[in-house]
Amino acid sequence: GESVGLHLPTLSVQEGDNSIINCAYSNSASDYFIWYKQESGKGPQFIIDIRSNMDKRQGQRVTVLLNKTVKHLSLQIAATQPGDSAVYFCAENTGTALIFGKGTTLSVSS
Amino acid sequence: NAGVTQTPKFQVLKTGQSMTLQCAQDMNHEYMSWYRQDPGMGLRLIHYSVGAGITDQGEVPNGYNVSRSTTEDFPLRLLSAAPSQTSVYFCASSYGDGYTFGSGTRLTVV
Repeated sequence: GESVGLHLPTLSVQEGDNSIINCAYSNSASDYFIWYKQESGKGPQFIIDIRSNMDKRQGQRVTVLLNKTVKHLSLQIAATQPGDSAVYFCAENTGTALIFGKGTTLSVSS
Repeated sequence: NAGVTQTPKFQVLKTGQSMTLQCAQDMNHEYMSWYRQDPGMGLRLIHYSVGAGITDQGEVPNGYNVSRSTTEDFPLRLLSAAPSQTSVYFCASSYGDGYTFGSGTRLTVV
Protein backbone atom coordinates (compact mmCIF):
# COMPACT_ATOMS: atom_id res chain seq x y z
CA GLY A 1 0.00 0.00 0.00
CA GLU A 2 0.91 3.64 0.05
CA SER A 3 3.23 4.95 2.69
CA VAL A 4 5.14 8.09 3.21
CA GLY A 5 7.71 8.29 5.93
CA LEU A 6 10.42 10.43 7.36
CA HIS A 7 13.88 9.25 8.32
CA LEU A 8 14.40 11.03 11.61
CA PRO A 9 11.87 11.94 14.28
CA THR A 10 13.90 14.89 15.61
CA LEU A 11 16.43 17.39 14.31
CA SER A 12 18.22 19.99 16.41
CA VAL A 13 20.07 22.87 14.77
CA GLN A 14 21.59 26.20 15.71
CA GLU A 15 20.04 29.44 14.52
CA GLY A 16 21.48 30.38 11.16
CA ASP A 17 22.31 26.80 10.15
CA ASN A 18 20.74 25.13 7.17
CA SER A 19 18.30 22.32 7.99
CA ILE A 20 17.58 19.26 5.91
CA ILE A 21 14.55 17.11 6.58
CA ASN A 22 14.17 13.88 4.66
CA CYS A 23 11.24 11.79 3.53
CA ALA A 24 10.98 8.46 1.74
CA TYR A 25 7.98 7.07 -0.08
CA SER A 26 7.18 3.61 -1.35
CA ASN A 27 4.75 4.09 -4.20
CA SER A 28 6.63 4.70 -7.43
CA ALA A 29 3.41 6.01 -9.00
CA SER A 30 3.24 8.88 -6.49
CA ASP A 31 3.58 12.12 -8.40
CA TYR A 32 2.73 15.03 -6.13
CA PHE A 33 4.18 15.83 -2.73
CA ILE A 34 3.60 18.61 -0.25
CA TRP A 35 5.61 19.68 2.78
CA TYR A 36 3.70 20.97 5.81
CA LYS A 37 4.75 22.75 8.97
CA GLN A 38 2.73 22.21 12.13
CA GLU A 39 3.12 24.35 15.19
CA SER A 40 1.84 23.24 18.56
CA GLY A 41 -1.93 23.35 18.78
CA LYS A 42 -2.43 24.29 15.15
CA GLY A 43 -3.31 22.59 11.92
CA PRO A 44 -0.76 21.83 9.19
CA GLN A 45 0.45 24.84 7.23
CA PHE A 46 1.50 24.55 3.59
CA ILE A 47 5.20 25.18 2.94
CA ILE A 48 5.99 24.03 -0.58
CA ASP A 49 4.97 21.37 -3.06
CA ILE A 50 6.57 19.50 -5.92
CA ARG A 51 5.31 17.36 -8.77
CA SER A 52 7.13 14.41 -10.27
CA ASN A 53 8.00 16.31 -13.44
CA MET A 54 10.39 18.43 -11.36
CA ASP A 55 13.54 17.56 -9.40
CA LYS A 56 13.77 20.78 -7.45
CA ARG A 57 11.56 23.64 -6.43
CA GLN A 58 12.47 26.72 -4.45
CA GLY A 59 10.47 29.03 -2.26
CA GLN A 60 11.40 31.67 0.24
CA ARG A 61 14.25 30.11 2.28
CA VAL A 62 12.99 26.62 1.44
CA THR A 63 13.93 24.15 -1.27
CA VAL A 64 12.39 20.78 -1.96
CA LEU A 65 14.34 18.12 -3.82
CA LEU A 66 12.73 15.05 -5.34
CA ASN A 67 14.71 11.96 -6.32
CA LYS A 68 12.33 9.63 -8.09
CA THR A 69 14.98 6.99 -8.64
CA VAL A 70 15.33 6.26 -4.93
CA LYS A 71 11.86 7.56 -4.00
CA HIS A 72 13.17 10.22 -1.69
CA LEU A 73 12.43 13.86 -1.12
CA SER A 74 13.94 16.44 1.16
CA LEU A 75 13.11 19.85 2.53
CA GLN A 76 15.96 22.28 2.96
CA ILE A 77 15.51 25.34 5.12
CA ALA A 78 18.17 28.02 4.73
CA ALA A 79 19.33 30.16 7.64
CA THR A 80 17.04 28.41 10.11
CA GLN A 81 15.35 30.70 12.59
CA PRO A 82 13.76 30.03 16.00
CA GLY A 83 10.37 30.58 14.36
CA ASP A 84 11.04 27.53 12.19
CA SER A 85 10.78 25.28 15.25
CA ALA A 86 7.85 22.98 14.54
CA VAL A 87 6.95 19.52 13.28
CA TYR A 88 7.45 19.03 9.55
CA PHE A 89 5.53 16.50 7.50
CA CYS A 90 5.81 15.34 3.96
CA ALA A 91 2.57 14.22 2.41
CA GLU A 92 1.55 12.62 -0.84
CA ASN A 93 -1.29 14.37 -2.55
CA THR A 94 -3.37 11.64 -4.16
CA GLY A 95 -5.50 14.28 -5.85
CA THR A 96 -8.42 13.85 -3.47
CA ALA A 97 -6.72 13.54 -0.06
CA LEU A 98 -3.33 13.47 1.63
CA ILE A 99 -1.22 10.58 2.90
CA PHE A 100 1.13 11.89 5.59
CA GLY A 101 4.45 10.69 6.91
CA LYS A 102 5.09 10.60 10.66
CA GLY A 103 6.87 13.94 10.99
CA THR A 104 10.20 15.41 12.05
CA THR A 105 10.39 17.77 15.00
CA LEU A 106 12.78 20.61 14.23
CA SER A 107 14.25 22.41 17.24
CA VAL A 108 16.19 25.60 16.64
CA SER A 109 18.37 26.97 19.39
CA SER A 110 19.70 30.52 19.43
CA ASN B 1 -13.66 34.37 4.27
CA ALA B 2 -13.60 31.87 7.15
CA GLY B 3 -11.88 28.98 5.34
CA VAL B 4 -12.44 25.67 7.14
CA THR B 5 -14.34 25.80 10.42
CA GLN B 6 -14.33 22.90 12.86
CA THR B 7 -16.53 22.60 15.90
CA PRO B 8 -16.21 21.91 18.74
CA LYS B 9 -12.57 22.68 19.56
CA PHE B 10 -12.57 20.41 22.60
CA GLN B 11 -14.81 17.51 23.61
CA VAL B 12 -14.81 14.87 26.32
CA LEU B 13 -16.96 11.80 25.75
CA LYS B 14 -17.71 8.74 27.79
CA THR B 15 -17.13 5.33 26.24
CA GLY B 16 -20.14 4.35 24.18
CA GLN B 17 -21.44 7.85 23.62
CA SER B 18 -22.00 9.18 20.13
CA MET B 19 -21.20 12.56 18.71
CA THR B 20 -20.66 14.46 15.48
CA LEU B 21 -17.64 16.57 14.68
CA GLN B 22 -18.61 19.39 12.39
CA CYS B 23 -16.61 20.69 9.45
CA ALA B 24 -17.68 23.50 7.15
CA GLN B 25 -15.87 25.30 4.35
CA ASP B 26 -16.85 28.39 2.40
CA MET B 27 -14.40 28.12 -0.49
CA ASN B 28 -16.59 25.94 -2.73
CA HIS B 29 -13.96 23.19 -2.66
CA GLU B 30 -15.06 19.86 -4.08
CA TYR B 31 -12.73 17.73 -1.98
CA MET B 32 -12.95 17.37 1.78
CA SER B 33 -11.22 14.96 4.12
CA TRP B 34 -10.90 14.00 7.77
CA TYR B 35 -7.69 13.08 9.57
CA ARG B 36 -6.76 12.01 13.05
CA GLN B 37 -3.46 12.80 14.69
CA ASP B 38 -2.14 10.80 17.61
CA PRO B 39 0.95 11.77 19.66
CA GLY B 40 4.14 11.15 17.74
CA MET B 41 2.22 10.25 14.61
CA GLY B 42 1.48 11.97 11.39
CA LEU B 43 -2.05 12.69 10.32
CA ARG B 44 -3.91 9.60 9.16
CA LEU B 45 -6.75 9.77 6.67
CA ILE B 46 -10.11 8.60 8.02
CA HIS B 47 -12.61 9.39 5.24
CA TYR B 48 -12.73 11.71 2.29
CA SER B 49 -15.23 13.08 -0.18
CA VAL B 50 -14.85 14.18 -3.78
CA GLY B 51 -18.17 15.96 -3.92
CA ALA B 52 -21.67 16.13 -2.51
CA GLY B 53 -23.10 12.63 -2.15
CA ILE B 54 -19.74 10.89 -2.66
CA THR B 55 -17.57 9.59 0.18
CA ASP B 56 -14.86 6.98 0.51
CA GLN B 57 -12.76 5.34 3.18
CA GLY B 58 -9.22 6.33 4.02
CA GLU B 59 -6.51 4.56 6.03
CA VAL B 60 -8.36 4.29 9.36
CA PRO B 61 -12.14 4.37 8.75
CA ASN B 62 -13.33 1.91 11.39
CA GLY B 63 -15.58 3.46 14.04
CA TYR B 64 -16.37 6.55 11.97
CA ASN B 65 -19.12 7.48 9.55
CA VAL B 66 -19.36 10.43 7.19
CA SER B 67 -21.84 11.96 4.82
CA ARG B 68 -21.68 14.84 2.36
CA SER B 69 -25.11 16.26 1.67
CA THR B 70 -23.79 19.69 0.64
CA THR B 71 -20.55 21.02 -0.80
CA GLU B 72 -19.96 23.08 2.33
CA ASP B 73 -20.37 20.50 5.10
CA PHE B 74 -18.61 17.22 5.88
CA PRO B 75 -19.50 15.95 9.37
CA LEU B 76 -17.68 13.05 11.03
CA ARG B 77 -19.77 10.79 13.26
CA LEU B 78 -18.60 8.56 16.07
CA LEU B 79 -21.42 6.12 16.70
CA SER B 80 -20.01 4.52 19.86
CA ALA B 81 -16.90 6.27 21.15
CA ALA B 82 -13.96 4.20 22.36
CA PRO B 83 -10.83 5.31 24.26
CA SER B 84 -8.80 4.42 21.15
CA GLN B 85 -10.53 7.31 19.40
CA THR B 86 -8.94 9.83 21.72
CA SER B 87 -7.08 12.03 19.28
CA VAL B 88 -6.93 15.38 17.55
CA TYR B 89 -9.13 15.50 14.47
CA PHE B 90 -8.48 17.74 11.49
CA CYS B 91 -10.73 18.48 8.58
CA ALA B 92 -9.37 19.78 5.27
CA SER B 93 -10.83 21.01 2.02
CA SER B 94 -9.18 21.23 -1.36
CA TYR B 95 -9.67 21.96 -5.03
CA GLY B 96 -7.13 19.24 -5.79
CA ASP B 97 -3.88 21.08 -5.23
CA GLY B 98 -3.98 23.36 -2.21
CA TYR B 99 -5.42 22.00 1.02
CA THR B 100 -6.83 24.22 3.75
CA PHE B 101 -7.02 22.75 7.23
CA GLY B 102 -9.29 23.57 10.10
CA SER B 103 -7.86 24.28 13.53
CA GLY B 104 -8.75 20.84 14.86
CA THR B 105 -10.96 19.17 17.46
CA ARG B 106 -9.29 17.65 20.49
CA LEU B 107 -11.37 14.65 21.54
CA THR B 108 -10.90 12.68 24.72
CA VAL B 109 -12.85 9.47 25.33
CA VAL B 110 -12.88 8.30 28.94
